[in-house]
Formats: sequence, structure tokens, C-alpha cells
Amino acid sequence: QKEVEQNSGPLSVPEGAIASLNCTYSDRGSQSFFWYRQYSGKSPELIMSIYSNGDKEDGRFTAQLNKASQYVSLLIRDSQPSDSATYLCTVGGSARQLTFGSGTQLTVLP
Amino acid sequence: GAGVSQTPSNKVTEKGKYVELRCDPISGHTALYWYRQSLGQGPEFLIYFQGTGAADDSGLPNDRFFAVRPEGSVSTLKIQRTERGDSAVYLCASSLGEGAFGSYNEQFFGPGTRLTVL
Repeated sequence: QKEVEQNSGPLSVPEGAIASLNCTYSDRGSQSFFWYRQYSGKSPELIMSIYSNGDKEDGRFTAQLNKASQYVSLLIRDSQPSDSATYLCTVGGSARQLTFGSGTQLTVLP
Repeated sequence: GAGVSQTPSNKVTEKGKYVELRCDPISGHTALYWYRQSLGQGPEFLIYFQGTGAADDSGLPNDRFFAVRPEGSVSTLKIQRTERGDSAVYLCASSLGEGAFGSYNEQFFGPGTRLTVL
């Protein structure tokens, strides 16, 4: 059974701070890693993808991958109230299907 | 361009009835996926199409669930003899699907259909 584990939160950070979201996965054969953002009542929105070890930066978002530790993280710099949402850590393997964590609920306090 | 569209946005039905949920993927995307999301959980995989054929249907919970994609574009998820436990948001996603693994598997979701079985 492939598993993706996230702290469910809720995680609260003040506006302007760095939000750090973490995730571990069980399948060592996993090849692709994504972070989706999901606002309440809406569908998941892809915000970051990462395929190799190290860091990948896109604007205020940085994804980090460590395959040896089976660990993925997402850093959000200069957090804004509009970043308040549930963040889904998502893993893809040799099969095309994605395995999602249960999500971390982030609240950015103004 | 247009994203993934799903109809209806909401569907309320009675236990035992038959329902069809429709998904229209992003133009040019050859891969289409169905997921189901219950409250407080991440989406769970149901079935994946590459073109017209179901490449992986291992997530379908039982034989009451069936999906088709006859022309390689629009897909319909069909649920027979609905049960209250089928109530969830049904999400459709599409991706480019071909070529090397990686960005071709980036999946983009539609708005979902909220199914309520009374």
C-alpha cells in the first residue's frame, strides 16, 4: 500500500512569515512529486512539481526533495492571507495514478 | 485555453438509482483520470484512461462503478445502484500523457461533481 503522510495541521503562521509543509512517502519507486493547493469547496490546483533531489524555486514557493529520506517539503516565503488553504502532498510512481496525502491546512494570519 | 470541465456540478440522487458524471478534458490531453474525494481526505484514484482504453482501473471500488471514454476525449463515470457511501466529490483530471515521465504526467483537475446519495 503506497502511503503519503502529512501533518494534518492546522498550521498557523503570521503574514510575511515562512510556512513550512512536510511530507513523507513509502514507495521508493516514486518518480514524481507534486504539491497541490486546495481552497475550501474547490478542486486541487497544481502549484509545484519536482522530479529530482534538491530544491526547486518558483516565486515565493520552494519545493525540496530528498529521495534517500523519502521526504518532500514545501516552503512558502512571505506568506499571505490568500495562501490560506489545504496543501496536498502528492506522489506519482511508475503507474500514472497519483497518491495524495490527506493535506495540511494552512492559515496565514493578517 | 479552457480547463477541465465536469458536469453536473452537483448531483443529488436516491439510494439505488443510476448516475452518470461527465468529464471533458483539456484539449490535446490524451490521459484522463477519475478520483474521488471524501471530506477531510485527499483524492483517491479510481481509473485512468490513455486514449480510449482504460489503462488502469484498479481503484474502482466494486463492479457498480464503470467508466468509458469512447472517442478518447470526453469520459463518463457511471455508478449503478448508488449507495449512501458513494457520496463524495468526484474529480476528473487530465494530463498530456505521452512522452517521458515527468511534466507529461502533471495532472490538472476539473471543478468536480458533488454527489449526494440520500
